[in-house]
Amino acid sequence: GDSVTQMEGPVTLSEEAFLTINCTYTATGYPSLFWYVQYPGEGLQLLLKATKADDKGSNKGFEATYRKETTSFHLEKGSVQVSDSAVYFCALYSSASKIIFGSGTRLSIRP
Amino acid sequence: GAVVSQHPSRVICKSGTSVKIECRSLDFQATTMFWYRQFPKQSLMLMATSNEGSKATYEQGVEKDKFLINHASLTLSTLTVTSAHPEDSSFYICSARLAPDEGTGELFFGEGSRLTVL
Repeated sequence: GDSVTQMEGPVTLSEEAFLTINCTYTATGYPSLFWYVQYPGEGLQLLLKATKADDKGSNKGFEATYRKETTSFHLEKGSVQVSDSAVYFCALYSSASKIIFGSGTRLSIRP
Repeated sequence: GAVVSQHPSRVICKSGTSVKIECRSLDFQATTMFWYRQFPKQSLMLMATSNEGSKATYEQGVEKDKFLINHASLTLSTLTVTSAHPEDSSFYICSARLAPDEGTGELFFGEGSRLTVL
């Protein structure tokens, strides 16, 4: 069945460091891919998405490119801020019309 | 953008009582809503798919008599935790998909409801 695998956390970085959170997927066809973010005590918010191969989603300085050949959708940001501390979820829209989430990666940014 | 609101955001109840959580789509119609449960430091577990005007579809291992879901209108779905026990304590999150779905599958999430059963 469809699945999402993302790097385990927690990830701790200093402010202004470069961020990569890896995400790979297994699915039939070419599903839409998402990154959701969950700030402490809150629900999930869509961070960015890509609906077809080679699409690049971007928002708030974050980027992720839909790579069909490596079945990946890695999240990157060039310079993180303390306010980026949150849990990040990679997800795909499965053939069964459900959103499948990865296990989440907790990110902590030190001032 | 599409807004989904949950209420209450926090609830504390005694063991054996029932608790109802509401999920509303504020500015769009949602024929399908989803209920997730999130354990501490863990990912989201899909509990059930709530369909307007019909019975919910539960995921394997989720007790339908324990977690009653009603989707009475295009803007409201409710989750009732019946005869709650401490192990039901968790963060419950609802989400909704636009109707008609643009095809990307994007979900809009509520703020979540933290249930604590004493």
